[in-house]
Amino acid sequence: KNQVEQSPQSLIILEGKNCTLQCNYTVSPFSNLRWYKQDTGRGPVSLTIMTFSENTKSNGRYTATLDADTKQSSLHITASQLSDSASYICVVTRMDSNYQLIWGAGTKLIIKP
Amino acid sequence: NAGVMQNPRHLVRRRGQEARLRCSPMKGHSHVYWYRQLPEEGLKFMVYLQKENIIDESGMPKERFSAEFPKEGPSILRIQQVVRGDSAAYFCASSLPLTVMNTEAFFGQGTRLTVV
Repeated sequence: KNQVEQSPQSLIILEGKNCTLQCNYTVSPFSNLRWYKQDTGRGPVSLTIMTFSENTKSNGRYTATLDADTKQSSLHITASQLSDSASYICVVTRMDSNYQLIWGAGTKLIIKP
Repeated sequence: NAGVMQNPRHLVRRRGQEARLRCSPMKGHSHVYWYRQLPEEGLKFMVYLQKENIIDESGMPKERFSAEFPKEGPSILRIQQVVRGDSAAYFCASSLPLTVMNTEAFFGQGTRLTVV
């Protein structure tokens, strides 16, 4: 079954600390994996995309990793800021006759001052 | 270039009424996706449409829900005879045709439906 599972479900950390969010998937055939950030009450916005051949990609304080062998991805946030408080959603694109986006349930991150 | 526009932003309906949610995709985008998000939950896929064509409606409830994306005009998500459990945020996204090189969907701000 094509699924994307994220952990933890929610996370609270202090401002300035680092954190890592996990994404495991069983989607096949795999095309790419994307991390979205969803601020409360708003639509998700893409942070980064990882293709099969990419292991690491950074976008400012966000660094995503992908292990296509174990079908795992992580999103590492460095030196967290209050504005990082949001839900982070992992989305895997399944490559078949019609490309299909398979969504994780997200990790709710709360940054406390 | 305006982003994905959804309206209304907030919609209140009484039980048994109909709700019509509109989504205008980004200019040049021919693919539209609808998602539902219950409070404190993740996005759940509902339906994927191209112009005048439903590609995948595997996430749509079998009854009361329908979606269309006509040749002209916005995509419409229609919920007939709404019930309290339909209260949620409904997000629309649009994209160019998905290819190996392009799989990004751009989201609107959502419509928050409240059924009273």
